[in-house]
Amino acid sequence: GQNIDQPTEMTATEGAIVQINCTYQTSGFNGLFWYQQHAGEAPTFLSYNVLDGLEEKGRFSSFLSRSKGYSYLLLKELQMKDSASYLCAVRKTGGFKTIFGAGTRLFVKA
Amino acid sequence: SQTIHQWPATLVQPVGSPLSLECTVEGTSNPNLYWYRQAAGRGLQLLFYSVGIGQISSEVPQNLSASRPQDRQFILSSKKLLLSDSGFYLCAWSPPGLSKVEEQFFGPGTRLTVL
Repeated sequence: GQNIDQPTEMTATEGAIVQINCTYQTSGFNGLFWYQQHAGEAPTFLSYNVLDGLEEKGRFSSFLSRSKGYSYLLLKELQMKDSASYLCAVRKTGGFKTIFGAGTRLFVKA
Repeated sequence: SQTIHQWPATLVQPVGSPLSLECTVEGTSNPNLYWYRQAAGRGLQLLFYSVGIGQISSEVPQNLSASRPQDRQFILSSKKLLLSDSGFYLCAWSPPGLSKVEEQFFGPGTRLTVL
């Protein structure tokens, strides 16, 4: 089967660091994406990993381990505006299909 | 720069009524186009994708259909809506071709409520 698992909700404090985990089991793998989605809005692209390791982009970093079917998104120096849902998505090989997880709702408190 | 438009932004329809949602992309040619549905608290479910005019691939058997009458126009339709069709419908595009994995760019979405 195909499955992407993420925690449903997380809460963190402004200025802190938070790590959002994602595990996946898919038939074929051609990259893992993280998207941010504010309530009622469309998802926006954050990061992409296709090889193992860490990709850093400003306050956001994403890690991938293909052998473990595992990724995480790391958010540093949290700001109130980071309160949103974070979607983990896996692109399958041989086509255009991307499987999305249900998302993790992050609440940033003062 | 590329932009993607969807309309309407919100829609309330009775069960059994027809549906037509439209998506257009500007600033790119021959994009890959996608329709997703997001139920409350759920992930995005891919409904249809298209790699060119008149080329539609369906991912989920249901009472919905899609058409691509023009290069940058993607339409989602239904002849008779069901209660279970309620959700947030998102159109997305990605650059053409399969040689490079690209992120998808999403439109603003249509929130559909079927009563």
